[in-house]
Amino acid sequence: GAGVSQSPSNKVTEKGKDVELRCDPISGHTALYWYRQRLGQGLEFLIYFQGNSAPDKSGLPSDRFSAERTGESVSTLTIQRTQQEDSAVYLCASSLEPGTSGIGTQYFGPGTRLTVL
Amino acid sequence: GDSVTQMEGPVTLSEEAFLTINCTYTATGYPSLFWYVQYPGEGLQLLLKATKADDKGSNKGFEATYRKETTSFHLEKGSVQVSDSAVYFCALSTDKLIFGTGTRLQVFP
Repeated sequence: GAGVSQSPSNKVTEKGKDVELRCDPISGHTALYWYRQRLGQGLEFLIYFQGNSAPDKSGLPSDRFSAERTGESVSTLTIQRTQQEDSAVYLCASSLEPGTSGIGTQYFGPGTRLTVL
Repeated sequence: GDSVTQMEGPVTLSEEAFLTINCTYTATGYPSLFWYVQYPGEGLQLLLKATKADDKGSNKGFEATYRKETTSFHLEKGSVQVSDSAVYFCALSTDKLIFGTGTRLQVFP
């Protein structure tokens, strides 16, 4: 289909290793978001890309977390020196450019489940 | 800062019961309001939304009305089904989406 896709769907890694998570947004969506969902908790905003503007990184929990986006397409979220508390589902979402009422409806990918041993 | 507060779960109901999941918000601007649903083993998906005061969002028998005077966006359904069992998230948007912590709904036959 033409939805948001993420890879890998599951990632198990050892503490201290680096991981890269990938998100392919819906074609034509200029806005892209990353969220983290810890077990039994709500969604925690991480970072937001909108077109060519500087990304909103206000939700990144530490300098071990970074994200890049190539134009208006794929994005990668990188976690360096992973810790056990990084274990969570990482969700990506995309939306059309926000209108006057705020951001557009976000469409979510299936997520990447990260387990840090 | 902007925030969303929703009732804690789980909410446990029998089939055909009436459902209300409370959601209130704090925002400095004029946000859009959303309900997202996460069915077991599936990704998050939009259930309904409202973009201004007094708007009513509706979908799949669910409704929520944007109440500016009470800063609320409560989710309701007149008769729940087992297939409605899921986690429901209230959210608001100004420049980004801010989610509540989610409410798990369990419907038994």
